[in-house]
Amino acid sequence: DVKVTQSSRYLVKRTGEKVFLECVQDMDHENMFWYRQDPGLGLRLIYFSYDVKMKEKGDIPEGYSVSREKKERFSLILESASTNQTSMYLCASSFPGTSGRDTGELFFGEGSRLTVL
Amino acid sequence: SQQGEEDPQALSIQEGENATMNCSYKTSINNLQWYRQNSGRGLVHLILIRSNEREKHSGRLRVTLDTSKKSSSLLITASRAADTASYFCASGRNQGGKLIFGQGTELSVKP
Repeated sequence: DVKVTQSSRYLVKRTGEKVFLECVQDMDHENMFWYRQDPGLGLRLIYFSYDVKMKEKGDIPEGYSVSREKKERFSLILESASTNQTSMYLCASSFPGTSGRDTGELFFGEGSRLTVL
Repeated sequence: SQQGEEDPQALSIQEGENATMNCSYKTSINNLQWYRQNSGRGLVHLILIRSNEREKHSGRLRVTLDTSKKSSSLLITASRAADTASYFCASGRNQGGKLIFGQGTELSVKP
């Protein structure tokens, strides 16, 4: 079975703390993504990566950074957590689509619910 | 920015009835996908339809795509209580590999 594992299901952090959210996939996927999900706003793309050491900004990258040192691991970093970053964070991975850079099926982790106090 | 918009936002039906959810998008796409999310869990892929396809079936799911209207629909036939979940459409754009998700339809199927 394909698997995307997120390191923590629930985290509680304080404002100003540095937060690491880890995501590991065992499917040898090239593409990896970080989304956040908020009520009424759906899923919004934060960052994505097509290859090791490669990253691209999504729609809401402000306040976040990412790291992809190995193909199977994609980390989301909140340098200085703020209360407006309280959210559900979803990691996903995929193979490239059938025509170059289009996106195929995404495989999601179970999510990390972050609360920033 | 979110590209997809889903309609309705919430839908409540009885077991055995059909459920139809609609999705609209704004820019050109190369595929459109539907996902399901149980409460508090990650999303699970249901079905993918390419821009050159008009209809696709998978079990009790039927997806249509109308690229001229930039819209898609997901039909779940003979619904079951276990179909209770949120359903999201996601559009794959021609440039780059990003998927843009709609806000979702919350489906409740009552036994």
